[in-house]
Amino acid sequence: ILNVEQSPQSLHVQEGDSTNFTCSFPSSNFYALHWYRWETAKSPEALFVMTLNGDEKKKGRISATLNTKEGYSYLYIKGSQPEDSATYLCALAAGGYQKVTFGTGTKLQVIP
Amino acid sequence: NAGVTQTPKFRILKIGQSMTLQCTQDMNHNYMYWYRQDPGMGLKLIYYSVGAGITDKGEVPNGYNVSRSTTEDFPLRLELAAPSQTSVYFCASRHMDQTQYFGPGTRLLVL
Repeated sequence: ILNVEQSPQSLHVQEGDSTNFTCSFPSSNFYALHWYRWETAKSPEALFVMTLNGDEKKKGRISATLNTKEGYSYLYIKGSQPEDSATYLCALAAGGYQKVTFGTGTKLQVIP
Repeated sequence: NAGVTQTPKFRILKIGQSMTLQCTQDMNHNYMYWYRQDPGMGLKLIYYSVGAGITDKGEVPNGYNVSRSTTEDFPLRLELAAPSQTSVYFCASRHMDQTQYFGPGTRLLVL
C-alpha cells in the first residue's frame, strides 16, 4: 500500500486570496500524478494528469507542478473564489497496471 | 455519451444480505475501478480491472467480489453485508490519457 499524503487537511481562505496545497508520494515506480476536484454530494472531477518530472499544468486560475525525483506536487489557486470551495484530491498511479492510490484530500473553504 | 452510470443510487441492506452494485461505461475504456469513500479517509480502491476478463485487488477487497465479462460493465458484489460496508461507492473508468471519469456514486447503508 502506497502512502500518498496531502497537506493541509483543511483550510479557510478569504475570497481573492491565493493558496496552495501539497501532495507527497513515494517516487519509486512512478507512472502519473492526478489532481481531482470533489464538491460535496458530487463525484470527483479530473483537473490535471501529470507524468513527467517538471510538468506544469494550468486551467484558468488553477495550476499544478510536479517533482517526481523528490516525490511531491503542488496545486495552486490564484484569487480564490467561493465556487472553488471543494475537496482537492491527488492520486498516484504507480507500479504494474498503474494501480491508483488516493490521498485523503485537502478541504478548501473560500469565505466571501 | 452517458459516461459512467451506477445503479442503484441508494440502498439499505440488512446484515448478511447480498447485493450487486452495477457500473456501466460507454466510452470503451479498458481500465475500470471501484472505490469506497470513508469519512476522513478519502477514496479507497476496492478492485480494479484492466480489461474484460482481468481483475485485481485494491487496498480494501475483503468482503467484495467483481467480474468483468464485457468492456462496458464492471459489477461489484457484496456477499454478506456488514455494517462496516456502509459507505458511498464510486465506479470509475480511465481514458488512455490517464484521466479517470467517475460515476455518480451508490450510497449503501447496512443495518
